[in-house]
Amino acid sequence: NAGVTQTPKFQVLKTGQSMTLQCAQDMNHNSMYWYRQDPGMGLRLIYYSASEGTTDKGEVPNGYNVSRLNKREFSLRLESAAPSQTSVYFCASSARGVLAGEVDTQYFGPGTRLTVL
Amino acid sequence: AQTVTQSQPEMSVQEAETVTLSCTYDTSESDYYLFWYKQPPSRQMILVIRQEAYKQQNATENRFSVNFQKAAKSFSLKISDSQLGDAAMYFCAYSPPTNYGGSQGNLIFGKGTKLSVKP
Repeated sequence: NAGVTQTPKFQVLKTGQSMTLQCAQDMNHNSMYWYRQDPGMGLRLIYYSASEGTTDKGEVPNGYNVSRLNKREFSLRLESAAPSQTSVYFCASSARGVLAGEVDTQYFGPGTRLTVL
Repeated sequence: AQTVTQSQPEMSVQEAETVTLSCTYDTSESDYYLFWYKQPPSRQMILVIRQEAYKQQNATENRFSVNFQKAAKSFSLKISDSQLGDAAMYFCAYSPPTNYGGSQGNLIFGKGTKLSVKP
């Protein structure tokens, strides 16, 4: 039982390049999330998916797109990377959909450290 | 909008002693959830403890306990018998109720407290 996995662990991009961060969970969770963590800051929500087939913007969605490919997988895409997107990206999942009437615990992946030059 | 404030950027504790990390939050909701996450140098976010706002009893997990003061909007973490492995960044997080408009179900984090444990 791997929990939440993320690939890659590290990535260096040049300004203007694109890439996709992959996230998968094997806990049969309904909800999945993408956060970014900048130095001296807590995590901030980029996008989330309450259930398969739905996605919604979080606090800092600009410059990103997401795809909930199936119940297990939730990818984050940077179409044209900018230095301001240098950060550590975390994927998380939780058992219940946000419409289920109760919040439960989010479990996090190990993170992806992205540097944009 | 909800906010979470951790007023102690860094804390230090002697091994085997007790330390308390502070967290305050701002919300107009009556029902919500509060969490403490630990982030060691590996960067993995690890859940330490969780508290439901409707529960008056403070949550406890082994050496970790919270002091939840709902009226004061305070949620401090106490670590007893501190161990070297407790050294990490600790983040306090708030989660609104699921029927909250906007970013439903997401976590709102404080900026963290870096805890050092001295042998």
